[in-house]
Amino acid sequence: GENVEQHPSTLSVQEGDSAVIKCTYSDSASNYFPWYKQELGKRPQLIIDIRSNVGEKKDQRIAVTLNKTAKHFSLHITETQPEDSAVYFCAASPTSGTYKYIFGTGTRLKVLA
Amino acid sequence: EAQVTQNPRYLITVTGKKLTVTCSQNMNHEYMSWYRQDPGLGLRQIYYSMNVEVTDKGDVPEGYKVSRKEKRNFPLILESPSPNQTSLYFCASSPGLNSPLHFGNGTRLTVT
Repeated sequence: GENVEQHPSTLSVQEGDSAVIKCTYSDSASNYFPWYKQELGKRPQLIIDIRSNVGEKKDQRIAVTLNKTAKHFSLHITETQPEDSAVYFCAASPTSGTYKYIFGTGTRLKVLA
Repeated sequence: EAQVTQNPRYLITVTGKKLTVTCSQNMNHEYMSWYRQDPGLGLRQIYYSMNVEVTDKGDVPEGYKVSRKEKRNFPLILESPSPNQTSLYFCASSPGLNSPLHFGNGTRLTVT
């Protein structure tokens, strides 16, 4: 079935360094790719999204790139800060013939002060 | 305030005792869905609904039921809960396809 693979599962970086999280999806019909941040004990919240007619999108320190040919997209966080520590999920939607959202398995990011 | 409201936040029950987790949104969203979150498995979609009276299975629908009688409400029903349904559950809504999901605060369910 359709799936989204996310790597790495954990990532530790020094404060001020950059962090990159990568996702690969299987369904070429997907055309919406959001990223969610989940702080400990809280609900996931959208931080950035990209649609398939765009290759890159940036919002301050956060950027997402999309390669539709290779079916992968990445989250880039620059100048990381301790408050960036959280679990990050990528997702792809929709999948062929359905209106499903498929999430990756998450990346736990730790920003070391 | 625009929000998705789930109740209860915590629930401990026993195997076989029917339960309902409620979900309500006040944003007039068309799309609503339920997810379960388990360590190492991310968020897995249980059921979703594109509109009133329109529901469909996600990736892990076994053991769950839903209904969408009104646009704002999307309850999750466990007719006969089992221990493998112990999990953290999230309800979410969005205006439609290709739109961000707005999540509720979650319901932590324990089935003994």
